[in-house]
Amino acid sequence: NAGVTQTPKFQVLKTGQSMTLQCAQDMNHNSMYWYRQDPGMGLRLIYYSASEGTTDKGEVPNGYNVSRLNKREFSLRLESAAPSQTSVYFCASSRDTLNSASGANVLTFGAGSRLTVL
Amino acid sequence: AQSVAQPEDQVNVAEGNPLTVKCTYSVSGNPYLFWYVQYPNRGLQFLLKYITGDNLVKGSYGFEAEFNKSQTSFHLKKPSALVSDSALYFCAARTGFQKLVFGTGTRLLVSP
Repeated sequence: NAGVTQTPKFQVLKTGQSMTLQCAQDMNHNSMYWYRQDPGMGLRLIYYSASEGTTDKGEVPNGYNVSRLNKREFSLRLESAAPSQTSVYFCASSRDTLNSASGANVLTFGAGSRLTVL
Repeated sequence: AQSVAQPEDQVNVAEGNPLTVKCTYSVSGNPYLFWYVQYPNRGLQFLLKYITGDNLVKGSYGFEAEFNKSQTSFHLKKPSALVSDSALYFCAARTGFQKLVFGTGTRLLVSP
């Protein structure tokens, strides 16, 4: 019962380098999300995908791109990493979109990816 | 704009004592409210949610939360704390078509 799997768990980058965080879920969920967690700021939504083939910006999308490769996978790319992107990144999924009125949605989170940009 | 406030960065309680982690929200319309817990080096785990109905919601691990519409609060409670309850707790809220908004988190420390 894997749930949401993120890779890598840890990564150190130099300023200007690029990298991609991978996320996969095996729960047949429609919606997937990328959050970042910073001390004192809680979780902030970077991008989300309400369904396969669609992506939308969240609160803090600048400096990031995403790809919803298929229903299972949702990747987050940093094209030119900056020290301000040092954070812990979480991928999550849910059965429905947060922008629907279909009821309260429970998010299932991955274990997180700790990224340090020097 | 929607917002969730967790006024305490940390809550300290002795094992066996009752605990309360506070949350207030500001959303338009009828809210859906959630509590998630994060153990060290882990992702967030769902604890409980309020949709409608009874103001007292029961969740996992003996936790419960009380919805108070007049005070726009959704405080997390447990009658008897365990050392293993020590973790970071997040309150979250949404309404209708709005995105889920998280509070900044409250660290719960239960001492033996």
